[in-house]
Order: sequence, then C-alpha cells, then structure tokens
Amino acid sequence: EAGVTQFPSHSVIEKGQTVTLRCDPISGHDNLYWYRRVMGKEIKFLLHFVKESKQDESGMPNNRFLAERTGGTYSTLKVQPAELEDSGVYFCASSQVVGTSGRDEQYFGPGTRLTVT
Amino acid sequence: AQSVTQLGSHVSVSEGALVLLRCNYSSSVPPYLFWYVQYPNQGLQLLLKYTSAATLVKGINGFEAEFKKSETSFHLTKPSAHMSDAAEYFCAVRYSSASKIIFGSGTRLSIRP
Repeated sequence: EAGVTQFPSHSVIEKGQTVTLRCDPISGHDNLYWYRRVMGKEIKFLLHFVKESKQDESGMPNNRFLAERTGGTYSTLKVQPAELEDSGVYFCASSQVVGTSGRDEQYFGPGTRLTVT
Repeated sequence: AQSVTQLGSHVSVSEGALVLLRCNYSSSVPPYLFWYVQYPNQGLQLLLKYTSAATLVKGINGFEAEFKKSETSFHLTKPSAHMSDAAEYFCAVRYSSASKIIFGSGTRLSIRP
C-alpha cells in the first residue's frame, strides 16, 4: 500500500510568487492534515479536512494560505503571495476512520521543503 | 495553552549507551501521547504511542516510553544506542481521536562511535 505522497519535494520561489503544494493521502483515508515546520521550530498544525470539508482550520496563519480538497481525495495548499517567513517544511498526514480505536493513526508524508528568497 | 516540552534540542550519546529523551506535557486530562522520529531526508515515522492501555509502551527499534501522570512526563528510552538511531525525535500529544497533533520542538540525537 502506498503511503502519503507529497509534491514537490522541494520548491524554491521568490517573495511575492505563488506556490502550490500537493498531498495525496493513503487511499481510503477520509482525514487529511497539513502541518508545517518553520526555521527549526516545532511542527505546527495548519488544518484538517474530513473528506472535502474543512473540519479545523485554526492553524492557518493568514489569508495568503488556501487549502482545498476537491472530491475528498488529494489536497492542495496554495501560498499566494509567498513571504520569506513562509519558508519551512510542509507536512501532510492522513488517517482513516474517526473514533475507531487503532485506526485513527496519522501517517505522515515526507514533506515539501519550501524556500522563499 | 496546551503544550509539549522537550528538554534538550540536541543529545549526544556513545554507541551502546543508554538513550534518554525527555518530554513533558501540560494537560489536566491524560491525552494520547506519541513519539515520532525523522531520519535524514525522510518523513515522520511513528515510534510508539500511549493510549491509556499501559503506562510502559514499547515501540519499534527497541525504543520504549513510560507515561507518568503524576509527573506529566513521557520520556523515551533505549537501553543501547546504535549508530542508526541518529535522527530527530519529536514528542507529541493529541487530545481526542482524529484531532490535531501538537508537537514538541524536537530533539536531535547524535551517536558517537
């Protein structure tokens, strides 16, 4: 079974440009999460989808960030316009069924390293 | 605010020595507790998790952690370090099923030959 995949693995863009990160969860996982780690600090939650609906977006830093999950499969995270402080590693995770013991573990992707210059 | 504190951003031990990575959480309700590991150029991998079944949790690669409610701690240990254990380790908590994970700041473990 394929794990969580993320694309691209690394992106370098200039301040003011737009970048779109993609996450493909494990097949059949309804829950999809985005996290990011900025400049060696702790990994912080951004938002949580259940299927195509945003369950919790309390971690989104500002309106320059837009996450979508059309059709409840893959998700995209767009940063527009990118700022220097957006540099970091963006992780995606997915999990299966809400509230079912042993089946709600979050599986993480390898991350996308974003560098804004 | 809910938080996770990892003592020591960098820990170095000799090969074969005991590994002890410290983690404390702030909560009045015992949460789900996790240790994740990130090897160089890889994603986060779950080492072990505590879900109230037993206070001593065994994970992969010989690691284990003990949940101590009175100390709000969940320290990670391994009796004998191996060179392949060099990685960054994250303690994390979750307060309900399917909710967000709150991570500590990470501890980078180095192993000396």
